[in-house]
Order: sequence, then C-alpha cells, then structure tokens
Amino acid sequence: DQQVKQNSPSLSVQEGRISILNCDYTNSMFDYFLWYKKYPAEGPTFLISISSIKDKNEDGRFTVFLNKSAKHLSLHIVPSQPGDSAVYFCAAGVPNFGNEKLTFGTGTRLTIIP
Amino acid sequence: DVKVTQSSRYLVKRTGEKVFLECVQDMDHENMFWYRQDPGLGLRLIYFSYDVKMKEKGDIPEGYSVSREKKERFSLILESASTNQTSMYLCASSPSSPVQDYGYTFGSGTRLTVV
Repeated sequence: DQQVKQNSPSLSVQEGRISILNCDYTNSMFDYFLWYKKYPAEGPTFLISISSIKDKNEDGRFTVFLNKSAKHLSLHIVPSQPGDSAVYFCAAGVPNFGNEKLTFGTGTRLTIIP
Repeated sequence: DVKVTQSSRYLVKRTGEKVFLECVQDMDHENMFWYRQDPGLGLRLIYFSYDVKMKEKGDIPEGYSVSREKKERFSLILESASTNQTSMYLCASSPSSPVQDYGYTFGSGTRLTVV
C-alpha cells in the first residue's frame, strides 16, 4: 500500500524553464512533507519542507505547494539548471514527539536538457 | 561537516551468507534508520531505532534484524542473504526533534548484490 505516490517516473525539462514535480498521498494523518534530491552513488539530501498549516514554502529557486484537500503537493524549480538533474523523492511524516519516521514516494528522475 | 558513514559502498555476497551492514553517525543523533531503495518502489523503511538498544520494525522487516549497542552505530543484519535482497541500502539519522525542520541525514548507501 503506497501511501505516498509520485506518478511520473521521469521528467525532462529544458534548461532555464520551470520543472514541476508532483506527489500525491493518501494518509490524512500526514502533517508535514519534505522533498529530497538524490544523485547517483550518493545518499538523498534534504531540499525543502512544508507543514500542513501552510500552502506554500519558498527557498531560493525551490517552491513547494501543498493542496491538502486534494492530498497533493508539488515542487517547482525555477529556473531549472543542469545541476538539478537528479532523482527527487517526496516524503511525509506524522508528528510523534521527535520520534518520527518518514514515508517516501517512489521518486521522479529529472533531466535538465542544456 | 556532519556525517553518516556506511562502511561499504559495494558488497557482493552469496545466497545463504550472513551479512552485516554498518552505519556510524557523528552528530549525536538519537534516531537512526535503515531504508532500501529499489527502482519503481522508492525508499522503504526496514528498521529504525529511537535509542540505544531499542529497535522497531519498519514496513519491510522480514529477513532482516538490527543492532544498536552504541548511540552512534546502527547495524543491519541479513540473517541468510537471498537474491531478492539485492538492493541499495541507505542508513539515515535524525535528532529527537521535529523532523520537518531538517529532515534526515543520509549516508552514501551500500549497493549489495546477492548471487
């Protein structure tokens, strides 16, 4: 039972354009969401997060949008750069006094075309 | 620079062998996790630990066990390796504080092949 889903296994975007990565979830108990970026032969690195009390969070070129009613979040990268080519995972968590485990999606491979 | 270190980048083991994957963190984090990454399945949680000598099953614990004798070290054990355990194994750690602020810190992964 995949509680966090990324329905696009891959995405190709022209350099300089906007990249939009999508994520859907089914568990209404999830209270916060994170995006991770993973290069080959490296561990995932934390990119940006959003709490369920917000609908948008921005950090430089990265913006995450949350639509709670649709159980959907998206990551926007503007402008896209070649170094953004990686696999992106969304993850979701339920608060538990710091003892929290994340549920990850299946990942989307983003390729930025120069 | 804070680190999660996994002892091996690549391992090849035979079916039936007992396999140990080691993970060490230097951030004094309370929480440690083992995930495996497979194409089309994303990252799936195997086991996690909130404190020394404590462990809890994740979503796919079958065929695995763990050991946490010291705060900084979390070991994943494959009791009798099978070919369906061929995967990328990722260790992570986090402090005992809201995960949403900083997320987990992951190691670089161990690519295990069981032949």
